[in-house]
Amino acid sequence: QVQLQESGPGLVKPSETLSLTCTVSGGSISNYFWSWIRQPPGKGLEWIGYSQNGGSTNYNPSLKSRVTILVDASRNQFSLKLPSVTAADTAVYYCVRDRELGHWGQGTLVTVSS
Amino acid sequence: DIQMTQSPSSLSASIGDSVTITCRASQGISTSLSWHQQKPGKAPKLLIYAASTLHSGVPSRFSGSGSGTDFTLTISGLQPEDFATYYCQQFFTTPWTFGQGTQVE
Repeated sequence: QVQLQESGPGLVKPSETLSLTCTVSGGSISNYFWSWIRQPPGKGLEWIGYSQNGGSTNYNPSLKSRVTILVDASRNQFSLKLPSVTAADTAVYYCVRDRELGHWGQGTLVTVSS
Repeated sequence: DIQMTQSPSSLSASIGDSVTITCRASQGISTSLSWHQQKPGKAPKLLIYAASTLHSGVPSRFSGSGSGTDFTLTISGLQPEDFATYYCQQFFTTPWTFGQGTQVE
């Protein structure tokens, strides 16, 4: 059974870079769509983007200029980088597998605050 | 972007009730639709994909239907563990988008 686990700082200062890693266990990171999704406190879900097979990526235009998602197959991990954060980026961030979003990590709360 | 509109936003139901949630896409998405259940403080879980296919391990009281722009999620015989928020999600085209959620209380 594939499992996903997010890791990274829970507090990021405004204007700095949010960096998160998702470690995949119980299965290979090869193939599949690997996405990041976020949920501001008390609000709905927003797809950030995905990386797929050999590095092709697709990002939400609302964040496109700020987002980088990379897959590290040697470590069975993929990552999210979001520079120049503001309070509006405060959210629970989830890493997720598949287009249908069939496998979710438990989520990690990232708060943007000085 | 494809807008996904769920109705109702919330509903009250009792154990044993049959519950139906609808999701409408702003343009046709074939059957590229998933339904997810989220409980407070937890990650969402996939219930149904491709509009009507039950994900592994999901109880058969959950069912989905629809294609094109109109979709439904039905829970037949509501159980205590089903009180949660439900989201539809389209993966027909990027950006993948979600409905605003329906809280079953």
